Amino acid sequence: DTEVTQTPKHLVMGMTNKKSLKCEQHMGHRAMYWYKQKAKKPPELMFVYSYEKLSINESVPSRFSPECPNSSLLNLHLHALQPEDSALYLCASSQDTSGSWYEQYFGPGTRLTVT
Amino acid sequence: AQSVTQLDSQVPVFEEAPVELRCNYSSSVSVYLFWYVQYPNQGLQLLLKYLSGSTLVKGINGFEAEFNKSQTSFHLRKPSVHISDTAEYFCAVSVQNTGFQKLVFGTGTRLLVSP
Repeated sequence: DTEVTQTPKHLVMGMTNKKSLKCEQHMGHRAMYWYKQKAKKPPELMFVYSYEKLSINESVPSRFSPECPNSSLLNLHLHALQPEDSALYLCASSQDTSGSWYEQYFGPGTRLTVT
Repeated sequence: AQSVTQLDSQVPVFEEAPVELRCNYSSSVSVYLFWYVQYPNQGLQLLLKYLSGSTLVKGINGFEAEFNKSQTSFHLRKPSVHISDTAEYFCAVSVQNTGFQKLVFGTGTRLLVSP
């Protein structure tokens, strides 16, 4: 099974709301990623977790708060977002992150609209 | 810094015609290069990768790419496209970032296949 699942598929939230995006994989991967993709743009890396520890934060605003409760699950907590944060949020996982190259498997994404 | 350039934002082609999507990279060191495909409302799927060895790389769905070091290119080709190949195609390079491999994507090329 090479599937990464993401919920919800679509999310509409106001600027004062608190919501969470969820990502799950059962491939035994130890690295998980959050990407943000604006319309007609390439994905941009936000966070990398390796062995359940935050390894990379690409200078993401604090209104985005990642969490990795266990090796299979990755959350992205959202609070006080701005309309410009509307985008497709992609989760990915890979066997590992360092020492060699490991294929990243992407989920279908959550399309977020901030009103 | 390592980066990739996709000069064509959109490539229209008729069904069963050949296609080439162009990608040029800039790097002063050895590179890992990739092509990903993104179908509408879906995540990214790896088409093929170049890590080392043979410069002609074959991928899924009949796609292939050739790594050309002298021209710093990694163009994607398919001899005969199908309607179902309509999608966004991203070239990407793997960049070392504090011990971690990070994917940096090009701006993407939309392949439009018409009957």
